[in-house]
Amino acid sequence: DAGITQSPRHKVTETGTPVTLRCHQTENHRYMYWYRQDPGHGLRLIHYSYGVKDTDKGEVSDGYSVSRSKTEDFLLTLESATSSQTSVYFCAISGGTAGPIVEQYFGPGTRLTVT
Amino acid sequence: AQRVTQPEKLLSVFKGAPVELKCNYSYSGSPELFWYVQYSRQRLQLLLRHISRESIKGFTADLNKGETSFHLKKPFAQEEDSAMYYCALSGTGANNLFFGTGTRLTVIP
Repeated sequence: DAGITQSPRHKVTETGTPVTLRCHQTENHRYMYWYRQDPGHGLRLIHYSYGVKDTDKGEVSDGYSVSRSKTEDFLLTLESATSSQTSVYFCAISGGTAGPIVEQYFGPGTRLTVT
Repeated sequence: AQRVTQPEKLLSVFKGAPVELKCNYSYSGSPELFWYVQYSRQRLQLLLRHISRESIKGFTADLNKGETSFHLKKPFAQEEDSAMYYCALSGTGANNLFFGTGTRLTVIP
């Protein structure tokens, strides 16, 4: 497995509380991504980063924010968790140069339950 | 806009039977297509990409631009092929992927 870890791996939180998920890589890859995985929806991109302090929105970014203060860490924050954000969250990294993506490497996932 | 369609949520085949997982896409430019697989309790991982034209674990996929399809095929399914399969698309020069909704393949012994 590529050097990608996610923390926590499991979390249960209450509606309205802020939650931060962490993705850490040791591969020095430029691109980092946050996805959510839901039955019937597959994987949907939340936000991604193309460098330190450079981020962009994905398909389902509402209610989420991200930060990347250093190459190895990409944080996903749920500003005020809602039950609709109960999901499995995956981080991914990619070397990505100026050309097309060759491959994304995925972390183990974080299962988040909002009660 | 990009779109990836996997029409089958579930697919069951018997061991030794051929298997085909369907993937159709819509994209106005020249896409890069991928198949990712997630085995039970494992991370999502790349299975194959169309530009490499490889055969991985006996699976192949051909990009058909006329039919805008990228179906995944294997002539003889094995029990260890049981997994969740995702088709994904990247646009020309893009840095992110659009995933289909996935197909769960079950190979019956």
